[in-house]
Amino acid sequence: GAVVSQHPSRVICKSGTSVKIECRSLDFQATTMFWYRQFPKQSLMLMATSNEGSKATYEQGVEKDKFLINHASLTLSTLTVTSAHPEDSSFYICSARGGWGNQPQHFGDGTRLSIL
Amino acid sequence: AQSVSQHNHHVILSEAASLELGCNNSHGGTVNLFWYVQYPGQHLQLLLKYFSGDPLVKGIKGFEAEFIKSKFSFNLRKPSVQWSDTAEYFCAREPKLTFGGGTRVLVKP
Repeated sequence: GAVVSQHPSRVICKSGTSVKIECRSLDFQATTMFWYRQFPKQSLMLMATSNEGSKATYEQGVEKDKFLINHASLTLSTLTVTSAHPEDSSFYICSARGGWGNQPQHFGDGTRLSIL
Repeated sequence: AQSVSQHNHHVILSEAASLELGCNNSHGGTVNLFWYVQYPGQHLQLLLKYFSGDPLVKGIKGFEAEFIKSKFSFNLRKPSVQWSDTAEYFCAREPKLTFGGGTRVLVKP
């Protein structure tokens, strides 16, 4: 089946640093990738949608200068949390979808980000 | 406002019991509907999906769901659960994948 690899799985860093999270589709070409954030005991909230080679579309309330998304190839998207602060601590999950039309999303294992 | 709502936050049942998890999609019209499962320590996996056609869809691991348009419901069912079905279950809809709040299911051996 379709596999999405997310790296790193856990990050702990100091306030003010920037953190990059990678999302790779290992055995298919991901025309669209999605980034979600999950707060404790809550559901996933879509942050942004990115199509390969174009700018990401951010959901309302998500700061695009804070959460930089790059989808430079059909197998890789990155999310960079710039100048991270403790309130950015969360579980970030990416997903990828290949092809067009009615294709399901395949999810990565998520990244637990903790900002001290 | 959340357009996908799941009725139960927690469900506890014994092995061999039947399971039904409620999901309501408050937005009518043409939508794609999904059920995802997240086993402890694992990523989200697709259980089943409904795009169009037969409203009764069968998924993996013996799960099924029925889309009832008049009730805006897409409930997930399994006639006989196993301990390994312990997980969190999420209903979701497209366009723009929106998740329900999730239901934690604990199956006691």
